[in-house]
Amino acid sequence: QSALTQPPSASGSPGQSVTISCTGTSSDVGDYNYVSWYQQLPGKAPKLMIYGVSKRPSGVPDRFSGSKSGSTASLTVSGLQAEDEADYYCSSYAGSNNWVFGGGTKLTVL
Amino acid sequence: EVQLVDSGGGLVQPGGSLRLSCAGSGFTFSTYWMSWVRQAPGKGLEWVANIKQDGSEKYYVDSVKGRFTISRDNAKNSLYLQMNSLKAEDTAVYYCARLNYASGRSFDYWGQGTLATVSS
Repeated sequence: QSALTQPPSASGSPGQSVTISCTGTSSDVGDYNYVSWYQQLPGKAPKLMIYGVSKRPSGVPDRFSGSKSGSTASLTVSGLQAEDEADYYCSSYAGSNNWVFGGGTKLTVL
Repeated sequence: EVQLVDSGGGLVQPGGSLRLSCAGSGFTFSTYWMSWVRQAPGKGLEWVANIKQDGSEKYYVDSVKGRFTISRDNAKNSLYLQMNSLKAEDTAVYYCARLNYASGRSFDYWGQGTLATVSS
């Protein structure tokens, strides 16, 4: 049950695009299309942004998109806005009714 | 509107116990798996435990097996986490979350969290 690997930080200017990676193994990200992404604003609870690798819940802007290649999943935020500044976490089902999260990426809008 | 309200956190000495609660509303509580996820101060998220709709199946992260017990009372729309033999490393904000198998096995709604501090 090792944590997924995310870069500690990412940044971009308003209007730009930024991509955050999430690297797992063949036992989690690489084996299941059950990758989700969460946004956490300071002092707040996480909010689901992407599920099933690339699906957006109702109400999440289409500026947020997800993808996966092999054991690495990615979250792309297009048209960056100041309100996107937050911590982002990936998560994957890891089999045998276990789930694993990434260490989190702090996104800064310059 | 789906709501989850966490409670029960506090300060406890190492080796002590704490019982966390989560009250759900705005959805049919008994038809969803439920989970606890924790976040140590300044750290990332960690999945802790899941429980099936009828309570017949429970799963835990290795670090809490034998010490924590997840349970639910569907008549009260409530989820619980009994934490025994607490260690300093259990200090964290604990969130209850709804686990939605229909949404890619994601945690689609979260409580506001309750802080459990283990310290002498």
